[in-house]
Amino acid sequence: QKEVEQDPGPLSVPEGAIVSLNCTYSNSAFQYFMWYRQYSRKGPELLMYTYSSGNKEDGRFTAQVDKSSKYISLFIRDSQPSDSATYLCAMRKVWGAQKLVFGQGTRLTINP
Amino acid sequence: ETGVTQTPRHLVMGMTNKKSLKCEQHLGHNAMYWYKQSAKKPLELMFVYSLEERVENNSVPSRFSPECPNSSHLFLHLHTLQPEDSALYLCASSQDYGQGRGQGDTQYFGPGTRLTVL
Repeated sequence: QKEVEQDPGPLSVPEGAIVSLNCTYSNSAFQYFMWYRQYSRKGPELLMYTYSSGNKEDGRFTAQVDKSSKYISLFIRDSQPSDSATYLCAMRKVWGAQKLVFGQGTRLTINP
Repeated sequence: ETGVTQTPRHLVMGMTNKKSLKCEQHLGHNAMYWYKQSAKKPLELMFVYSLEERVENNSVPSRFSPECPNSSHLFLHLHTLQPEDSALYLCASSQDYGQGRGQGDTQYFGPGTRLTVL
């Protein structure tokens, strides 16, 4: 079983729609959760960073963590064509091995 | 965009060639990383250097050899590669590694080197 599961898509939605991207994980020791956005031919860039459970909002983006279900989500409101990219979830533990464990990435296209 | 730079951006090499990938970070960070990104696979961590010391080596074949001469520069030396090594190689840096201090370990990525092995 993979430590982090993420549907690779592709996901295609019309402009203005609310987008929901998700990851599940198996290791309850993960405490830090991140979402990276990767445009074509570019490296990943950090989009959202959360610690433990709860919600975090930044403009049109909301990150949600449900540790009891081992499930994290990224919501994009009022989606724009410029949001078209691959979205990677990543997570790591607090103690011990500090390496990030990434999901496979979901390829998202927002159609004008 | 210019915090972490990588050269070359594209590289095509034969299986018998020797080449090197270069990464430079301008963020004053103490940790640097090499990742491999293949199609339809999660990012694979290859090596981690913290304060110029290698702290992670994730069962990477010896045909990949990292070098970290100082905290701003990281190299990946390549020799006798296989076609399955073709991938996007990403460099990243973070302020700290293994400190458990939350966002101090946030990793910032370069644009990557697209490697094709013929």
